[in-house]
This record gives sequence, C-alpha cells and structure tokens, in this order.
Amino acid sequence: QKEVEQDPGPLSVPEGAIVSLNCTYSNSAFQYFMWYRQYSRKGPELLMYTYSSGNKEDGRFTAQVDKSSKYISLFIRDSQPSDSATYLCAMCFSGSARQLTFGSGTQLTVLP
Amino acid sequence: DVKVTQSSRYLVKRTGEKVFLECVQDMDHENMFWYRQDPGLGLRLIYFSYDVKMKEKGDIPEGYSVSREKKERFSLILESASTNQTSMYLCASRTLTGGNTGELFFGEGSRLTVL
Repeated sequence: QKEVEQDPGPLSVPEGAIVSLNCTYSNSAFQYFMWYRQYSRKGPELLMYTYSSGNKEDGRFTAQVDKSSKYISLFIRDSQPSDSATYLCAMCFSGSARQLTFGSGTQLTVLP
Repeated sequence: DVKVTQSSRYLVKRTGEKVFLECVQDMDHENMFWYRQDPGLGLRLIYFSYDVKMKEKGDIPEGYSVSREKKERFSLILESASTNQTSMYLCASRTLTGGNTGELFFGEGSRLTVL
C-alpha cells in the first residue's frame, strides 16, 4: 500500500463546477499538507499549504485536512479552464528534514 | 521570484551513455532535490542535498549519482543510462530558514528518453 493514495482521474468538469480532489494517507505522523498544481510541460508549483487539521481558504480554493480520517481535500469553486492541470497532494512530518511524500496526481480538465 | 533552471528540457540518449542533468537555483537555497516523475507513480525522490558537498539518498537512488560543488548547482548523473530511466526529471530547491514553510520550488523538468 502506498503511503499516499490519490485518484489519478482524469477528471473532466464544465466551467463553473465545484471540483473536489482528494488524497488519503496511512501515516498518522504527517503534520504538513500541501497541494501542488502542475500545468502541462511545467514543474509543480505550490497552491495551498496547511498545518494539521482544519480548513484553509484562498480565493476559489479551499484545502481541508481531516487527520482523524487521514483524508485531505482540495475544493475549487467556480472552476475555470485555466484550472486545467494536474493536482498533486503532498505531505511531510514536522522537524528539520521535512521530506515530502507526494500523491500520484489527479489530472483535471475544465471544459469551457 | 525564485528561479530553478534545468539546462536541458529534452534529451535523447542511447543505452550505456553517461548523462548529466544540470540544475541551477538563484535564491541561495540550502536544500536541493532531484525527483523523477512517471505516470501513476507520482514524484519519487532520487537524491537530495542539504547543503554544499552534502548528499543523501532518496527513495530510488540506484543507477544515479549527484554532485553539489556549489550552493546554486545540483547535478544528477546517470553513469550508464538504461531504458528504464526514461522519465521526466524534476529539480527543486527550498529553504527552511527564517520561518519559511519549506515550499519546494521546481524547475520545468528535463524529459529524458533512453533508446
């Protein structure tokens, strides 16, 4: 079993839809949770960063962490064609090392 | 803005050739990383470096070596390329000092094909 599981998709939604992207993990010691966005033929870039459980909102994006269920989500409201990308969840332990463990990524297409 | 530059975007090599992938960052970051990205497998860590002349094996170091002689430059070396090393290679850097979150900054990737 992988430490971090992520549905690879692909996921296609119409413009304006609410998108839900999810990851589950097995190691309860993970403390920091991130979502990276990767456009085609580009490197990933950090989209959202959260520490421990709870919600964090940034514009149309909301990151949610449920440590009791070992489940994290990224919600995109009013999705736009420019949101079409691969979304990677990532997580790490606390401490100075902080090596990230990545999910395999979900490919999202928002249709105009 | 942080810039991580990977010198080669696309390479085609033959089995047995020695391959150098170069990465340069311009933000004085202490940590640098090499990942490979394959469909369905996500990003897997090959090697990382906490600082100049330091290196640590990641999850899949076999068949690879690295060099970090200067803080801004981290090189990935394939001593004898094999077809199973055909992949996208991503370099990243970060700093953990000054209360930074430890965000990884990635280059645009080097797509290597080994024939």
